[in-house]
Amino acid sequence: AQKITQTQPGMFVQEKEAVTLDCTYDTSDQSYGLFWYKQPSSGEMIFLIYQGSYDEQNATEGRYSLNFQKARKSANLVISASQLGDSAMYFCAMREGRGDDKIIFGKGTRLHILP
Amino acid sequence: ETGVTQTPRHLVMGMTNKKSLKCEQHLGHNAMYWYKQSAKKPLELMFVYNFKEQTENNSVPSRFSPECPNSSHLFLHLHTLQPEDSALYLCASSQVLGANTGELFFGEGSRLTVL
Repeated sequence: AQKITQTQPGMFVQEKEAVTLDCTYDTSDQSYGLFWYKQPSSGEMIFLIYQGSYDEQNATEGRYSLNFQKARKSANLVISASQLGDSAMYFCAMREGRGDDKIIFGKGTRLHILP
Repeated sequence: ETGVTQTPRHLVMGMTNKKSLKCEQHLGHNAMYWYKQSAKKPLELMFVYNFKEQTENNSVPSRFSPECPNSSHLFLHLHTLQPEDSALYLCASSQVLGANTGELFFGEGSRLTVL
């Protein structure tokens, strides 16, 4: 069974609008971590934001925020005031267990920002 | 510059060749990873080394042979590959103990083409 589900293969968003990228996950662990990565066309994987399962506040990093809904097992990425440079693949990922070294990824969402 | 260096960046090999991919991390992390990224597929976790010990082998064919001589270096030895093994191979490192979030730091990848 897929542990990380990203249901949006592609999205088109007008520049300066906010965008939400969906991610749901499946785990029976109480302790886990959720990550979002960005992969531009150049190929490098860039870490964006992290949310721990015990964190009570939603994580924020600049224009990125994570809408963490634990009961729904949802960890959506919100990008505010989108920019042309935000066009990229976005991957949601999960680490299970405290100290566990295994991190698995979803299939990704390709985001296109339109001028 | 993420602190993780992969060589070579591009590799073309025949099915009977033997080659190796190299990864080096300068971050003092205790875990290193190999991921495979094929077109239209999620990142596939191949191998994990934690303190030089292999902790994950995700049902990878034996034609891929990892080696981790120390916590800073990771190799992927390639032997009698198939055309479907053509992909981007990403190395990553992380610090998985203590209060760290354990996010992955990726190299720029090695683009492998098997003829």
